[in-house]
Amino acid sequence: GESVGLHLPTLSVQEGDNSIINCAYSNSASDYFIWYKQESGKGPQFIIDIRSNMDKRQGQRVTVLLNKTVKHLSLQIAATQPGDSAVYFCAESVFGGSQGNLIFGKGTKLSVKP
Amino acid sequence: ETGVTQTPRHLVMGMTNKKSLKCEQHLGHNAMYWYKQSAKKPLELMFVYNFKEQTENNSVPSRFSPECPNSSHLFLHLHTLQPEDSALYLCASSQVVGASGYTFGSGTRLTVV
Repeated sequence: GESVGLHLPTLSVQEGDNSIINCAYSNSASDYFIWYKQESGKGPQFIIDIRSNMDKRQGQRVTVLLNKTVKHLSLQIAATQPGDSAVYFCAESVFGGSQGNLIFGKGTKLSVKP
Repeated sequence: ETGVTQTPRHLVMGMTNKKSLKCEQHLGHNAMYWYKQSAKKPLELMFVYNFKEQTENNSVPSRFSPECPNSSHLFLHLHTLQPEDSALYLCASSQVVGASGYTFGSGTRLTVV
């Protein structure tokens, strides 16, 4: 499932540190955003989502921040672990829109050093 | 196991072959999707099915032909593909179109020779 050859941005962090992965989205009409994690050989896995009426949402060890003014989304991972190593994608959509499709970003590869 | 199962996991086919990819979900979802993930592009939506009806064809060439016999099963029939069609083909499902996170399968790694 890796996006080999895409020259993904890479973030390398030390185990135990916090990670911040950023994403710029394109459509000002988008009102629903999701972060996915894709490990090698697997499909994308839902991590956390946020609607545009919120600017922050927390999950277990993860926080998503949304800045609609600059169309920016970030994923914060606390106490990063080796199992967090993967490619992370943000996706945007118009919630419940007739198209209903998610538009995915290119992804960021997170490498966690033990 | 995510609840969305794709078969086969790997497929090598010649340009004149006909093959089919299969996707199955028993999550009770009503929407199913085909995505293409290639080495040089982000995830690309190909087809959307809502309650077995195709609601979107994202300008996909006719050599890709989807079929959705029921809400639990989705096929992608392949015919006279090109080497540039080599990619990871991902199936996903969701409760309804556009709402909540999608559940993805592990994909079929397709190589066209």
